[in-house]
Formats: sequence, C-alpha cells, structure tokens
Amino acid sequence: GQQLNQSPQSMFIQEGEDVSMNCTSSSIFNTWLWYKQEPGEGPVLLIALYKAGELTSNGRLTAQFGITRKDSFLNISASIPSDVGIYFCAGPRNQAGTALIFGKGTTLSVSS
Amino acid sequence: GAGVSQSPSNKVTEKGKDVELRCDPISGHTALYWYRQSLGQGLEFLIYFQGNSAPDKSGLPSDRFSAERTGGSVSTLTIQRTQQEDSAVYLCASSLAENEQFFGPGTRLTVL
Repeated sequence: GQQLNQSPQSMFIQEGEDVSMNCTSSSIFNTWLWYKQEPGEGPVLLIALYKAGELTSNGRLTAQFGITRKDSFLNISASIPSDVGIYFCAGPRNQAGTALIFGKGTTLSVSS
Repeated sequence: GAGVSQSPSNKVTEKGKDVELRCDPISGHTALYWYRQSLGQGLEFLIYFQGNSAPDKSGLPSDRFSAERTGGSVSTLTIQRTQQEDSAVYLCASSLAENEQFFGPGTRLTVL
C-alpha cells in the first residue's frame, strides 16, 4: 500500500534558524498537505498543494510540491519558539480521495 | 462552537469494557473522518462518512470497532471489548473539500 516517508524524524534548532523537512511517497500524489500538531491538540492545516511544481507560502512557511509528484518539502524561516510541534505531511489515501494518509511526523524543538 | 469538538477528552477503561467516543463536526461539513494516533506515530485512517453514502470502513482494524453518524452530523465511534493495544488518541475531522480536513482535539483512550 501507499507509504509516506518523512524526514528528519526530529530536529533541535536555535531560535532564528531556518528549518527544512521533506516527505516522499511510494506512489504519485495529486495533493500534498502539511499539518502541525501541538501537544493535546489535533493537527492544524498549514499549507495545501495541488499542482506539481507548486510553491506556496504561509507567512514564514513555504512548501513545494515536487515535480515528480512523489515528494514535498516544507521550509520554516527564522524559527521562533512557538514553531515547536510535530509537522506531518499527508496526501490522499486513494484515488477516490477518501481520507488521508499521514507521514510519521517531524518533531521540531526550538531553543531560545 | 466553530470547530470540531470531541468528547470525552480523556477516557480510562478496563480491558474488556466497551467505550463510545463522540464527535461533533463543523456545522455544514458533509464529510467526517475518524483517525487513530498511537504514541509517536502518524495518523491511521479508520472510517469515513460522506453525506448519505455508505461509509468507507476499510481502515477499521477489527470487527470490535464500529461507527455511526446520525442525521449527517454527530458521529460515535464504538470500541467493544477493548484491548490494551486500543490505547491511543482518537481524532475526528470534518471537511467540505475532500482534502482540507479540520481536526478536533481528540480523545485520549487508555485501556488498563
């Protein structure tokens, strides 16, 4: 079945540094989504990508839909302490688009 | 409220007991999803409801798991004869667009 491989598994950075994480899939996706989850909360949608090659920004966050349609990248610039959390990539679980398949997440820690 | 709500927020039960978890989706959202998140893992799809269509139950891990959605709104996830491996956070999401899902805070289930 489909698998999403997300890396790195965890990151420990200093406030102000830039962050980059990526996600690869075993099959082609038509949509890539990036979510952030904070402790005790459900995931919150950060960025949605719908077209190969698409580059989309949301404040200090930028995500790209890979040309091969099998990968996506999320960058965070000038990190701040509130960026702490788990970042998940996700894509459609099947052709019908019912529900999502998620990567295992990248845990980000930011020290000030 | 404006978001997806879930109850209870925490549930501790004994092995072998049945539990019911509730989800109130965002008003007007036709699609509702249940996911399970085990410690340190990504989200695992369980079941999907869309309008009056038959639900997609393909993610349910065993016949001890069932869910219903009454009146196209509130949903209940039932786990019968709970086992310790059922311990996880159970997340509900709803959406209008198939891929842009909004998550509730989850129910943390602990089976002793």
